[in-house]
Amino acid sequence: DGGITQSPKYLFRKEGQNVTLSCEQNLNHDAMYWYRQDPGQGLRLIYYSQIVNDFQKGDIAEGYSVSREKKESFPLTVTSAQKNPTAFYLCASSRGGGENSYEQYFGPGTRLTVT
Amino acid sequence: QKEVEQNSGPLSVPEGAIASLNCTYSDRGSQSFFWYRQYSGKSPELIMSIYSNGDKEDGRFTAQLNKASQYVSLLIRDSQPSDSATYLCAVNDNTDKLIFGTGTRLQVFP
Repeated sequence: DGGITQSPKYLFRKEGQNVTLSCEQNLNHDAMYWYRQDPGQGLRLIYYSQIVNDFQKGDIAEGYSVSREKKESFPLTVTSAQKNPTAFYLCASSRGGGENSYEQYFGPGTRLTVT
Repeated sequence: QKEVEQNSGPLSVPEGAIASLNCTYSDRGSQSFFWYRQYSGKSPELIMSIYSNGDKEDGRFTAQLNKASQYVSLLIRDSQPSDSATYLCAVNDNTDKLIFGTGTRLQVFP
């Protein structure tokens, strides 16, 4: 089955610890994205990548880092510098470029709680 | 700052009625428009895409786009309790990024 997987589904960490969220896709999509969603709010873009070994900051990149070493994978690290890391993290992918290619498809999400 | 605006709701409709969800956007250069459905605690699911002015129908769903007025709407016919969710509007300007609204919560009561 083609799709996007995120792991783990729930993650608990102590304040001051870095944590890495996994995102893998087998849709052969070029572009991948990380969003954060807080209760009652919309999706805010953290980072995105249009091609392997390249990525751009979104609207709220401070305190986060990413890598894109493989087309299928786009892990997100939430560092201790992120002031309010508790949130629902969503990974998405799209074909990127061309007609009808901006549709984004989401993974199931990781709910991160930092105490 | 590009913006996408939606009424947060809740929009309450009886089962079998038509639910009408609206979205306005600020960037006249926007080219692609999307509706996502998000159940509580779950991730968004793409349900409709629309690229040209007019209506696009898919089953019980109809997306309507009016670029001159900068709004896009989603109609759900014969609403069912299972349609109860938050509906997110997203807009693209031919970059690889989408701008999302904050969503409208729909409640369909029996």
